[in-house]
Amino acid sequence: AQSVTQPDIHITVSEGASLELRCNYSYGATPYLFWYVQSPGQGLQLLLKYFSGDTLVQGIKGFEAEFKRSQSSFNLRKPSVHWSDAAEYFCAVWGGATNKLIFGTGTLLAVQP
Amino acid sequence: DVKVTQSSRYLVKRTGEKVFLECVQDMDHENMFWYRQDPGLGLRLIYFSYDVKMKEKGDIPEGYSVSREKKERFSLILESASTNQTSMYLCASSLRTVPAYGYTFGSGTRLTVV
Repeated sequence: AQSVTQPDIHITVSEGASLELRCNYSYGATPYLFWYVQSPGQGLQLLLKYFSGDTLVQGIKGFEAEFKRSQSSFNLRKPSVHWSDAAEYFCAVWGGATNKLIFGTGTLLAVQP
Repeated sequence: DVKVTQSSRYLVKRTGEKVFLECVQDMDHENMFWYRQDPGLGLRLIYFSYDVKMKEKGDIPEGYSVSREKKERFSLILESASTNQTSMYLCASSLRTVPAYGYTFGSGTRLTVV
């Protein structure tokens, strides 16, 4: 069955530092992968998605993610974090025949001044 | 932009009350979903619907029901609210071909049952 693992529950980085959030998936075929961000008290917003082609995907707010089939990973990166990036981040994979997205449990990002 | 609107941001209800959470989307999406979100548990799917008058159970349907009488509206019903249903509830919608566009989420309803 398809699944998504976000191994880091909580990450703290300093403002201006680089960021990498980890996501590992389990899926038999070529996966469709997504990253969402949830600001406090808000719904989820799509940051970026990967279907095929270039394995480095650019998203909104300066985020990017790299698909690595050999590692079953789709890690989210940002070169310089801003205080406004403090939020919860969810990775998701398309569930194929289930016609649903499978979400990870999320990584809560805190940004120190 | 697609908008998914949840009618209430915050609700406080009493134990045993019947509670309706409303969700409306304005882009003719076929699929609609209800999730609850709790700290440490991520998003858990309650119910979903692929078309008018259709519904499917998700992972945690117990204590909930849904209604989809019109394509744009998907209601979540707590038949008899209990304190363990205190949570953040998120509605989402998507085109039938989900991989192409992913989901669009509403802003959420934080429900407290006292």
